[in-house]
Amino acid sequence: GAVVSQHPSRVICKSGTSVKIECRSLDFQATTMFWYRQFPKQSLMLMATSNEGSKATYEQGVEKDKFLINHASLTLSTLTVTSAHPEDSSFYICSARDQRGGSEQYFGPGTRLTVT
Amino acid sequence: AQSVTQPDIHITVSEGASLELRCNYSYGATPYLFWYVQSPGQGLQLLLKYFSGDTLVQGIKGFEAEFKRSQSSFNLRKPSVHWSDAAEYFCAANQAGTALIFGKGTTLSVSS
Repeated sequence: GAVVSQHPSRVICKSGTSVKIECRSLDFQATTMFWYRQFPKQSLMLMATSNEGSKATYEQGVEKDKFLINHASLTLSTLTVTSAHPEDSSFYICSARDQRGGSEQYFGPGTRLTVT
Repeated sequence: AQSVTQPDIHITVSEGASLELRCNYSYGATPYLFWYVQSPGQGLQLLLKYFSGDTLVQGIKGFEAEFKRSQSSFNLRKPSVHWSDAAEYFCAANQAGTALIFGKGTTLSVSS
């Protein structure tokens, strides 16, 4: 149980284009999902907290207009990197919290984004 | 500010030797504590977690961790390391309903 999927697992896009990454909770409902970014050989940095049916809460320094987050249902959150640039290349990981409570978060396998 | 510190960036251990990875936290109240492992290019795998109760926590793959409130620590241990344990290890913490805060990670290398 408690499986989170991400799609795509890898994506290469050209500079200036937009890319959408999906995060799905497969066997539970998640009122809260989190998006993290991980640069090579570095730790995970929280980008934003996504709550179903409301606007995401972004961490300081994360551009809201660049990283659009939508959490339209209890099982799906999307992160859209708009007008991507090479510096946006990174590993993006989502996690989801079961709406029934608890402090454990379940992580997706991550999406490797490369912007050329 | 809340933080998680992993003092060791890189540790090398001989195969079969014991391992201890350090983790310290700074929170107003005792947080929930986690250890994750990540292989190159892969996602995170939860090794173990501490919420309350017994301060020695058993996890998967033969790992255990001990919570010490007086030292604000949650160190990860394994009595005998295998070559397949080579990976990146992250300590993380949170409080109810909040996002996890991760340490910077410790890279474990295993020598033969």
